[in-house]
Amino acid sequence: AQSVTQLDSHVSVSEGTPVLLRCNYSSSYSPSLFWYVQHPNKGLQLLLKYTSAATLVKGINGFEAEFKKSETSFHLTKPSAHMSDAAEYFCVVRGPILTGGGNKLTFGTGTQLKVEL
Amino acid sequence: DTGVSQDPRHKITKRGQNVTFRCDPISEHNRLYWYRQTLGQGPEFLTYFQNEAQLEKSRLLSDRFSAERPKGSFSTLEIQRTEQGDSAMYLCASAPRPSGGSGTGELFFGEGSRLTVL
Repeated sequence: AQSVTQLDSHVSVSEGTPVLLRCNYSSSYSPSLFWYVQHPNKGLQLLLKYTSAATLVKGINGFEAEFKKSETSFHLTKPSAHMSDAAEYFCVVRGPILTGGGNKLTFGTGTQLKVEL
Repeated sequence: DTGVSQDPRHKITKRGQNVTFRCDPISEHNRLYWYRQTLGQGPEFLTYFQNEAQLEKSRLLSDRFSAERPKGSFSTLEIQRTEQGDSAMYLCASAPRPSGGSGTGELFFGEGSRLTVL
């Protein structure tokens, strides 16, 4: 079965400093991995996705993530945090494929990012 | 706005009452999903429709829960005889028919319907 573990439930950074949100995955086959962001009172929004192409994936708003098979990790980074980045971030793995080809997403427990002045 | 819309956004009900949530997916998306998110947890898969056919149901979906998508467009999720443990955010997501294989896996989520059972 596919699963993801987010290693930090809360991360606090100062504005302008780097962001690192950690995620480890478990999958019996080459996984498809995602990061979603959830701002208060907003829907989940896709930040970026890895689907076995380049291991360094660039997403929206300056975020990127690197797929490391040897470490079974997919950590999310951003060089310089902005106040608007404060939100909850979910690491997500796809699978198993549902009847009819649907995609079941399995979410981590989330990391709450706080950005301070 | 052409995103996924959900109604109502908030619902407070007393234990034992029935509630129904509606989801309108992105119009060209034939795949629709329901997820449930409780406090401090990530969303969990409940059920999946392809057009009007309900193809998968999670074991989380007890017999008090029923979901429909009668014409392959909007969907409803009904909870009968609500319990306090049903308090959660109910999320709807949709996805297009993939151009090949099972697609990229990306789902487009609505803002959710928050249920509070007193």
